[in-house]
Amino acid sequence: AQSVTQLDSQVPVFEEAPVELRCNYSSSVSVYLFWYVQYPNQGLQLLLKYLSGSTLVKGINGFEAEFNKSQTSFHLRKPSVHISDTAEYFCASGVSGGYNKLIFGAGTRLAVHP
Amino acid sequence: KAGVTQTPRYLIKTRGQQVTLSCSPISGHRSVSWYQQTPGQGLQFLFEYFSETQRNKGNFPGRFSGRQFSNSRSEMNVSTLELGDSALYLCASSVGGRDGYTFGSGTRLTVV
Repeated sequence: AQSVTQLDSQVPVFEEAPVELRCNYSSSVSVYLFWYVQYPNQGLQLLLKYLSGSTLVKGINGFEAEFNKSQTSFHLRKPSVHISDTAEYFCASGVSGGYNKLIFGAGTRLAVHP
Repeated sequence: KAGVTQTPRYLIKTRGQQVTLSCSPISGHRSVSWYQQTPGQGLQFLFEYFSETQRNKGNFPGRFSGRQFSNSRSEMNVSTLELGDSALYLCASSVGGRDGYTFGSGTRLTVV
């Protein structure tokens, strides 16, 4: 069965420090992977996506993620965070031929402190 | 271009009532999905429509239903509301799905 695990429910970090939000997926078939961000009282905004090809994916707002098939991971990174990055981050996976049903992780709350 | 529009933004209903939520996708997007977001269960897939056909459905009771119109606009309906239906309901649209979904701001439903 398809599943997504976000390994940290909360990640506190100081402004301008690097951050990594961890995501592991489980699927017996080819998957495509996404990271979304949710600000308070808003919907989800797509940060980046992995469909195929290069395993290093660059997204918006300086975020990037690396697809690692052997580790079944898709960790999100940013070299220097800002206060405005404080939000909830969701990793999601879809299955080819799965008619666009996304499975979401439980979310990671990123709190950036001055 | 205009994003995904969900109406209303907020809704308060009484237990036992029914509710209809509306979603207007991005122009040209034919795939529309609905998700329920709660603090306890997180984001859960409700259903997905493509060209007026429901292609996939999540594990929700039959009280939850939806439809898609010829202009790709979608509605979801919840009948016989229960307190546990209180949630943020998110609609998302996509050209085909694999390119990623654009989400609306959601409808916050409170059942009292």
